[in-house]
Amino acid sequence: GQQLNQSPQSMFIQEGEDVSMNCTSSSIFNTWLWYKQDPGEGPVLLIALYKAGELTSNGRLTAQFGITRKDSFLNISASIPSDVGIYFCAGQLTQGGSEKLVFGKGTKLTVNP
Amino acid sequence: KAGVTQTPRYLIKTRGQQVTLSCSPISGHRSVSWYQQTPGQGLQFLFEYFSETQRNKGNFPGRFSGRQFSNSRSEMNVSTLELGDSALYLCASSEKPLISGNTIYFGEGSWLTVV
Repeated sequence: GQQLNQSPQSMFIQEGEDVSMNCTSSSIFNTWLWYKQDPGEGPVLLIALYKAGELTSNGRLTAQFGITRKDSFLNISASIPSDVGIYFCAGQLTQGGSEKLVFGKGTKLTVNP
Repeated sequence: KAGVTQTPRYLIKTRGQQVTLSCSPISGHRSVSWYQQTPGQGLQFLFEYFSETQRNKGNFPGRFSGRQFSNSRSEMNVSTLELGDSALYLCASSEKPLISGNTIYFGEGSWLTVV
């Protein structure tokens, strides 16, 4: 099936540093969604991207929908301790007449105060 | 408005039993989709319902089934439970069917442990 390659798998950074993570695929996606999941909780939507090339910000978070429609990145600027969690990308694509939602394996972020 | 609500949050079942999980979508949302999350496989799509009809289905055995009611609430059932079914089951809702340009919101999940 479709694969979303999310990297890095984990990151250990100092408070105040910027963070970048990305998802790539060999498939073309129509929508990219970025989520954050805290332990024991469901994913919370951070940013939604609907058009190739779109660059969207949500506070300290910025995400872009790649021009090729096969990738997306998420940047977090000036990280703070509450940014700790697992970040997932999700892509929506159409295949065989049906819609699918595919997830990356997640990037585990640890922020040291 | 209230978010996606899933019940129960935690449950323990024995192999061979069956389980039913419930999901109430955000008010006005007619699409409900279900996902299984495990450490090894990550998040995997189970199925999607819109207006009481199953629109899409992932690659899971027939032991996994679901339904949606006229008020958009949805239930997921797993029969003949296996140890490997232990996972966090997430429900998500959206206004439109699982199509491009749609924003999907997740509930907090139901933790299922099979012993």
